Amino acid sequence: SQKIEQNSEALNIQEGKTATLTCNYTNYSPAYLQWYRQDPGRGPVFLLLIRENEKEKRKERLKVTFDTTLKQSLFHITASQPADSATYLCALEMDSSYKLIFGSGTRLLVRP
Amino acid sequence: EAGVTQSPTHLIKTRGQQATLRCSPISGHTSVYWYQQALGLGLQFLLWYDEGEERNRGNFPPRFSGRQFPNYSSELNVNALELEDSALYLCASSLVRRAAFFGQGTRLTVV
Repeated sequence: SQKIEQNSEALNIQEGKTATLTCNYTNYSPAYLQWYRQDPGRGPVFLLLIRENEKEKRKERLKVTFDTTLKQSLFHITASQPADSATYLCALEMDSSYKLIFGSGTRLLVRP
Repeated sequence: EAGVTQSPTHLIKTRGQQATLRCSPISGHTSVYWYQQALGLGLQFLLWYDEGEERNRGNFPPRFSGRQFPNYSSELNVNALELEDSALYLCASSLVRRAAFFGQGTRLTVV
C-alpha cells in the first residue's frame, strides 16, 4: 500500500542551527510534493511546493529537495529560530486521483 | 482577499446526533478537501470535492458525507455521531494540483 513516512520523534535543535526534516514515500511517483507548517489547534499553513522535475526549491530560510529515485524529500530551515517551533507536514497526491494525503508530521523544537 | 472560513468554530453534540460543518473556499478555488485530525494525531483524508462533484473519499464509513454547492462552498455531515468522532475537522481549498489553503477548523466534541 501507499505510505508517507515522517520521523515521529521530535527534532530538538539549538537556535541558529539548520533543521533538516525527512519525508519518505512508497509505491507511487507523485508529480509534486508539498510542505506545510502546523501550530497546535490550527490548520496547516502552506510553505513550499516542489515538482518532480525540480531537484531543489528555496524560499527565504527554507529549502526543499525532491529525490524521485530515493522517493524522498528533505526540508531544511537554516538559521533556525524559536518561532520556527511547530509541526511540519509533507503532503503529496498518492494516486492518479489527485487526492492530497498528508504525512503524520515531525515536531520541531528550536531552543533559544 | 478572504481566506478559507469554517463554521462553527466549536460544536458540541450528543452521541447519536448529526453534525453539519460548513466551509467557504477562497474565491476562485474549485476544490475543497475535508480532513479529520484527532487530538495529537495526523490529518486523515475524508473527502475531496471539485467542480461540484465528489472526486474521492477516504476510509471513513458512509455516515460521513458531504456536498459542494454551485458557489464551491461545501458542507460535511456526520450522522449517528460516535464518541471517537471528536476531532478537529479541517477544510482546505485549492485549484486542482496546487497548494491547499486551510481554514481554522471546527472542533467537534461528542459527549
